[in-house]
Amino acid sequence: DAGITQSPRHKVTETGTPVTLRCHQTENHRYMYWYRQDPGHGLRLIHYSYGVKDTDKGEVSDGYSVSRSKTEDFLLTLESATSSQTSVYFCAIRTGGGSSYEQYFGPGTRLTVT
Amino acid sequence: GQNIDQPTEMTATEGAIVQINCTYQTSGFNGLFWYQQHAGEAPTFLSYNVLDGLEEKGRFSSFLSRSKGYSYLLLKELQMKDSASYLCAVERTARQLTFGSGTQLTVLP
Repeated sequence: DAGITQSPRHKVTETGTPVTLRCHQTENHRYMYWYRQDPGHGLRLIHYSYGVKDTDKGEVSDGYSVSRSKTEDFLLTLESATSSQTSVYFCAIRTGGGSSYEQYFGPGTRLTVT
Repeated sequence: GQNIDQPTEMTATEGAIVQINCTYQTSGFNGLFWYQQHAGEAPTFLSYNVLDGLEEKGRFSSFLSRSKGYSYLLLKELQMKDSASYLCAVERTARQLTFGSGTQLTVLP
């Protein structure tokens, strides 16, 4: 599992409330990613990070922000949750390099916005 | 833009061989991943192809043709536990992955 944990694993929140999801890794990997997975859309990249305080947007970044103040933690924040953000959120890390690298996923967070 | 196509569903029999195809059109290409995902679980890494050709890992093999924008995942000696969704993903130049919608494989006894 490459030492990736996510918290919380499940959360129910109301529309308009802020929500922060945490991804934690124990192996000092440089690249970290946040995805969401929805039926019919597959996995879509929200934001990614290539180092402490270095982040960039993915294809579905609207309504989300991220922060990475330490190598091991990558936070995803929904400033004001909406029902369209009900989804399963996966964190991932990238290991290796060149022609031999892998991307491992955390266990996921199931978020429901009511 | 990006477009990744793979069949939505496939069915095969235990002990058989199945090939799951993936075609892609992307702006920028570094490599292609295959993942396995069981219902309610996280995707599990299967393979990463950068160069053209076949990569074999036990019962699973993955093929890539960069010139044709085509890959396939070959699963041999199918087992019931291989019933899962198989995800094809293209890595673009910014170290970002774009995923296909996945192929749901059902293995029948």
